[in-house]
Amino acid sequence: DTGVSQNPRHKITKRGQNVTFRCDPISEHNRLYWYRQTLGQGPEFLTYFQNEAQLEKSRLLSDRFSAERPKGSFSTLEIQRTEQGDSAMYLCASSLAPLNTEAFFGQGTRLTVV
Amino acid sequence: QQQVKQSPQSLIVQKGGISIINCAYENTAFDYFPWYQQFPGKGPALLIAIRPDVSEKKEGRFTISFNKSAKQFSLHIMDSQPGDSATYFCAASIGGGSQGNLIFGKGTKLSVKP
Repeated sequence: DTGVSQNPRHKITKRGQNVTFRCDPISEHNRLYWYRQTLGQGPEFLTYFQNEAQLEKSRLLSDRFSAERPKGSFSTLEIQRTEQGDSAMYLCASSLAPLNTEAFFGQGTRLTVV
Repeated sequence: QQQVKQSPQSLIVQKGGISIINCAYENTAFDYFPWYQQFPGKGPALLIAIRPDVSEKKEGRFTISFNKSAKQFSLHIMDSQPGDSATYFCAASIGGGSQGNLIFGKGTKLSVKP
């Protein structure tokens, strides 16, 4: 499968716990994006990377959210001290910029905080 | 806050009919306008995109109409099929799509009745 891969697909966690999601972009895509999608809403941009550099992180929802892409390949999104309001679908996308602006999305990780 | 307003929220169309979804934006710096299709449990997938130097773009049964002066753009699905039943999102970004930050509308749930 050469698409964007996200793991896990589903995560249930207790309030206050930390969670980490992984995204493997399409091979050789230099751009990687994280979005959050709540029920009935469009995806909401969180952050993105150009290779290993995080170029935009002001949209991360709070300081409990952080993302890394240490080797310019896969990325992780961590949420510390989860709250019920963090329950959402977390989507990852990748693209090959500037040659191709199309962003390919993964199937997402659905987080439920109980 | 940059914003993209999408309507209607839901749409029911008979098989063979035309589905029309509208979006309006505020930020005149937007220069890339994609439409995404999302099926339940899946990530959004790019359908078609347009830049403001053209007023219309057609790909198969899907057409984007763009009105720069009105700051509006719309998606037309001709000969709608039950397989088109999905949620459709318009989006906009700055930098021709290479900036990474897509601003999405809230989505339109399309149901095509056989």
